Amino acid sequence: SSELTQDPAVSVALGQTVRITCQGDSLRSYYASWYQQKPGQAPVLVIYGKNNRPSGIPDRFSGSSSGNTASLTITGAQAEDEADYYCNSRDSSGNHPSYVFGTGTKVTVL
Amino acid sequence: QVQLVQSGAEVKKPGASVKVSCKASGYTFTSYYMHWVRQAPGQGLEWMGIINPSGGSTSYAQKFQGRVTMTRDTSTSTVYMELSSLRSEDTAVYYCARDSSSSDAFDIWGQGTMVTVSS
Repeated sequence: SSELTQDPAVSVALGQTVRITCQGDSLRSYYASWYQQKPGQAPVLVIYGKNNRPSGIPDRFSGSSSGNTASLTITGAQAEDEADYYCNSRDSSGNHPSYVFGTGTKVTVL
Repeated sequence: QVQLVQSGAEVKKPGASVKVSCKASGYTFTSYYMHWVRQAPGQGLEWMGIINPSGGSTSYAQKFQGRVTMTRDTSTSTVYMELSSLRSEDTAVYYCARDSSSSDAFDIWGQGTMVTVSS
């Protein structure tokens, strides 16, 4: 099965911009979706498709993709953005539908 | 509103089975596939499999083949995930998550069910 690799941790100053990356072969064929997870809570979808935000997600969250790398950018990070972030995509290997999550990135807002 | 409500926490002994339920409301149950995802304590998210609530077809992650069974009951808009031959490494929070149907995204998540495997 495919793997999606993320940096374990990043930090950003309040109000600044941070980019989280996700690398994997499946991203050459499929878009990534991104999930925010705060301690003790279920994940929340923040970005999907080419660069789409579900209703209620602030426009400071954006997504992009190039080759085997997908990125989530938080422009003007807020204290409430401190969380773990996971990418996900359909797995391009195998004959039946399967999906894979990234290893996760912990974002700290300083 | 659209929501997924899961069954309560479980404590099981090694070798036993557990069955977790996920009841959907606020949308047409048979129109959206459902995923199961788990998260061991302090670890990342792990995809387990997917079920089509309309016809009941399933696809499981290779890691869980032979140990996991996903089913649905359309009369109650509920999906189930049963995991057998439990071991301590199966201790985790188990989530159901709705597939968005158009973009391979998991748009609605259940609150999670903690399963503890301990002798």
